Parts: sequence; C-alpha cells; structure tokens
Amino acid sequence: AQSVTQLGSHVSVSEGALVLLRCNYSSSVPPYLFWYVQYPNQGLQLLLKYTSAATLVKGINGFEAEFKKSETSFHLTKPSAHMRDAAEYFCAVSSSGTYKYIFGTGTRLKVLA
Amino acid sequence: GAVVSQHPSWVICKSGTSVKIECRSLDFQATTMFWYRQFPKQSLMLMATSNEGSKATYEQGVEKDKFLINHASLTLSTLTVTSAHPEDSSFYICSARDRRKGDLGQPQHFGDGTRLSIL
Repeated sequence: AQSVTQLGSHVSVSEGALVLLRCNYSSSVPPYLFWYVQYPNQGLQLLLKYTSAATLVKGINGFEAEFKKSETSFHLTKPSAHMRDAAEYFCAVSSSGTYKYIFGTGTRLKVLA
Repeated sequence: GAVVSQHPSWVICKSGTSVKIECRSLDFQATTMFWYRQFPKQSLMLMATSNEGSKATYEQGVEKDKFLINHASLTLSTLTVTSAHPEDSSFYICSARDRRKGDLGQPQHFGDGTRLSIL
C-alpha cells in the first residue's frame, strides 16, 4: 500500500532563510508525487508535481523539489522564504492504479520577520 | 486554466436541515471529481469519488445516505449533507480532473472549499 509521511507538522524559518519541507513516500510502483499549498480557509493550490520526467522539479513561487528514489523522498525547498509563504503544505502521492490521492498530514510553515 | 469553483464558500444552518454544495469545473470537463472533508488543523480525508453519469464511490466509513453525491454533467458535481447535525460541521473541499488528461500523473484541481457550520 502507498503512504506519505511528512516529518514536522510545524516548521519555522526566518524571512530570507532556506525552506525545507520533508516528504517521504512508500510505493511499490513508480509514484506520481505532488506538493500543494493551502492558505487559510482556501482550497489547495498545486505547487509542483513529479511524473518521472525529471528528478528535479521546479514549481511556482520559487519552490522546487527533488525526487530521490534511493531515499524514497520528495522534499520541497525554497532558497529564500518570504512572509507570503506562510501556509500549510501537503505532499500527496497518486494511489496506484487510480486517480485518488493519498495525502500526508501536512506541514504548517511559519515565516518569522 | 483548470479552475474549479465551489459554492457556497460558507454556510450556517440549523440542525436537521439539508445543505447542498456545488463543485464546478469552469474551463474543462471533468469525468471524475473528488469530495474531501478537512477537520481543523488536519489533512484532507477523501469522502468519495464522483463519476459523471454513474454512482459515486464512497470511502470506507462514509455514510452514503448522509452525504449524497450527484455528478449529472461533465462540469458539475454536488454534495448534499442530509439532515445535518453539529458533528457534520467541517470544511468540505472538492477537486476535479481534466477528462482530456487521462494519465495518473495529471493533478487534481481544487475548489476553495465550503465551511459548513451546523447550529
């Protein structure tokens, strides 16, 4: 069965500092992986996706993620945090053979001035 | 592109009433839509998969008679919470997949959610 683990339910960084949000997956087949961001009282916005075309994926708002098969990881990074990046971030894997997602538990990013 | 509109964004109603939430794909057709429930400070819980022209597929533990789903067209799915009670209060989010993009790597596009409060 597939699963997603997001280490760290809360992450705080200073404005301008590196953002690193962790996501590890478990899958018996090549996975499709996604990162979404959720602002308060809103739905989810797609940041980026991995679909096996390239291991380093660039997304919107300066975010990127690297797929590492050996580590079963798909961590999200941004070189310099901005106040507007404060939000909830979800990692998701597309469930094997279906279109359904399995979501991680989410990481709340706080950006300190 | 790939805009999903969800309505209403916020609703308050009395216990015992039924509430209908609409999910529309505005610039694409969606044969498959998903309904999620999100509790405060938690992740999204998939409730059901809505398929155009057929019955919805509910996840284990979700009451079919409580949460009625209709997907009558390629751009509209509705979730009706029947005889709602305070424990049904939650944030409900829908998502949709573009029917032209059939591979599993294509993302779901999410609506902005509906905050339901039952008094």
